[in-house]
Amino acid sequence: QQQVKQSPQSLIVQKGGIPIINCAYENTAFDYFPWYQQFPGKGPALLIAIRPDVSEKKEGRFTISFNKSAKQFSLHIMDSQPGDSATYFCAASNPGTASKLTFGTGTRLQVTL
Amino acid sequence: DGGITQSPKYLFRKEGQNVTLSCEQNLNHDAMYWYRQDPGQGLRLIYYSQIVNDFQKGDIAEGYSVSREKKESFPLTVTSAQKNPTAFYLCASRTGGRGYTFGSGTRLTVV
Repeated sequence: QQQVKQSPQSLIVQKGGIPIINCAYENTAFDYFPWYQQFPGKGPALLIAIRPDVSEKKEGRFTISFNKSAKQFSLHIMDSQPGDSATYFCAASNPGTASKLTFGTGTRLQVTL
Repeated sequence: DGGITQSPKYLFRKEGQNVTLSCEQNLNHDAMYWYRQDPGQGLRLIYYSQIVNDFQKGDIAEGYSVSREKKESFPLTVTSAQKNPTAFYLCASRTGGRGYTFGSGTRLTVV
């Protein structure tokens, strides 16, 4: 049972563009929604996270938008750069399950010159 | 520097062989996790431990075993019962907050 659905599977944008990656969840008990960035051969690194009491959070060029009623959240990367080329994972957890993270299937982003 | 060290980086297993993946952290984190990563499937939870001498099965625990004898260490054994062990294995830890810190992973290949 996949509880976090992520799309698209892959994405190509030009430098300076704004890639958007979307995730939808089913479990209304989720209360923590992080995004991770992974480069080839490396472990994922936490980028930014949001809780459902806010609709948007920005950190540098990365923004999470959150829609609680639709049970959806998305990652926007402003002024994307070739160095942003990586795989991005959304995830979710709830406090009653030892904060186990349930991950989406990942989006491979390529930023071209 | 604080972090999580996974070793080896690459591991080859013969049919019917048990292998153990090492995970060590010096972050003083209480909780530790093992995930398996396959192309197109994201990360799936194998086992997790919230305190020393205690651990629980995740979503895909069959064919795997773990121990947590020390706070710093959470080794994963891939047994011969795991029929499709070729994958990228990631260890993570967490302190009181909700974010995880991941290691750099071990790529296991069956030969």
